[in-house]
Amino acid sequence: EDKVVQSPLSLVVHEGDTVTLNCSYEVTNFRSLLWYKQEKKAPTFLFMLTSSGIEKKSGRLSSILDKKELFSILNITATQTGDSAIYLCSIHSGGSNYKLTFGKGTLLTVNP
Amino acid sequence: GAGVSQSPSNKVTEKGKDVELRCDPISGHTALYWYRQSLGQGLEFLIYFQGNSAPDKSGLPSDRFSAERTGGSVSTLTIQRTQQEDSAVYLCASSFTPQDGYTFGSGTRLTVV
Repeated sequence: EDKVVQSPLSLVVHEGDTVTLNCSYEVTNFRSLLWYKQEKKAPTFLFMLTSSGIEKKSGRLSSILDKKELFSILNITATQTGDSAIYLCSIHSGGSNYKLTFGKGTLLTVNP
Repeated sequence: GAGVSQSPSNKVTEKGKDVELRCDPISGHTALYWYRQSLGQGLEFLIYFQGNSAPDKSGLPSDRFSAERTGGSVSTLTIQRTQQEDSAVYLCASSFTPQDGYTFGSGTRLTVV
């Protein structure tokens, strides 16, 4: 059974801090790893990673995948209160049907 | 449409009643997922539709849960004889192909009293 484990489960920081969120996985037939940000109800897509060692960047957010060690990190620099959200890591695994398996998420709280 | 649309946004129902949740995916998206998110939990996979293929129902928690996708577009998730443990946010997501990132709807918050 595919498994996605995120750590920490929750994190409280002050504005301006840099945070690193972790995601490790065990899947058969890996296709891609996706990060989502969930503020209220609908998760919004951040990154899709398919290749090891290639950093994806969007503003203050960046992410990288290590397919040998089976993990990914999501970095947020110079955090702002608007970064407060649940960050979800998911794995797209292949086969005859594609399955998207999610971790429990990391709840990030950024205090002013 | 511009995004994935789910209705109703909130539903309160009495234990034992049946409920129907609706998902309108983005036009042209062939892949559609239903997930459930309970308080403090991650997203729990329920069912997956891809084009005309038989759906992957492996995540449905009991035979009280069923889902349909008519004409490869709109999907309905039906929960019969609702129980209090069915209370959760039900999220729908769609994608143009299974390999793409998914777009989520805003969900339906179901409360069974």
